[in-house]
Amino acid sequence: DTAVSQTPKYLVTQMGNDKSIKCEQNLGHDTMYWYKQDSKKFLKIMFSYNNKELIINETVPNRFSPKSPDKAHLNLHINSLELGDSAVYFCASSQATRDRGYLRDSPLHFGNGTRLTVT
Amino acid sequence: AQKITQTQPGMFVQEKEAVTLDCTYDTSDPSYGLFWYKQPSSGEMIFLIYQGSYDQQNATEGRYSLNFQKARKSANLVISASQLGDSAMYFCAMRDLGFYGGSQGNLIFGKGTKLSVKP
Repeated sequence: DTAVSQTPKYLVTQMGNDKSIKCEQNLGHDTMYWYKQDSKKFLKIMFSYNNKELIINETVPNRFSPKSPDKAHLNLHINSLELGDSAVYFCASSQATRDRGYLRDSPLHFGNGTRLTVT
Repeated sequence: AQKITQTQPGMFVQEKEAVTLDCTYDTSDPSYGLFWYKQPSSGEMIFLIYQGSYDQQNATEGRYSLNFQKARKSANLVISASQLGDSAMYFCAMRDLGFYGGSQGNLIFGKGTKLSVKP
């Protein structure tokens, strides 16, 4: 069973188009994320949602709009695509726990990525 | 502000030898988590190992161990008995846990180290 699944795996589109990437997790995690990995492999967070509420919104253009219909889903819609949007987009989820009074983080579980190519 | 530094863009290691991948970090939060991820050429992000800032012992997971030196703010990954399948990009990452817990924090990544294992 895939823990974090995102579709599509590949997305090729022209400048100016609008596209969406879907993400679903079956881990029961409260928090979901979108990361962007550029051509130099640098990973940068875009958005984070906790129980359907936006908690992190990095300096991402307004053309990017996340939508979380429930805590298991976090979709990413991109309007008016530009050449610079070409990248690999990763969805991820996580859940922190308490261990003997200490907050203990959990690793982010990543989807397999969506390679977006804008021509 | 949080910062992660991986100073080795690329490394080579002979099969069956051990290798250390460097990672230093900076944060003002006393409670944080450190992670290592592997990204093979197929593109998926694979979680390897986690170290909490309050953990007394260095984390180990099979052939992976994390050399955590808190005073030096370093979290080097040691891979013992390298295998050809270890050839990949390796990312160090950290997240401040803050008051509300790790689910609210931003996991930031280093720029990665490309490891090549030679037969």
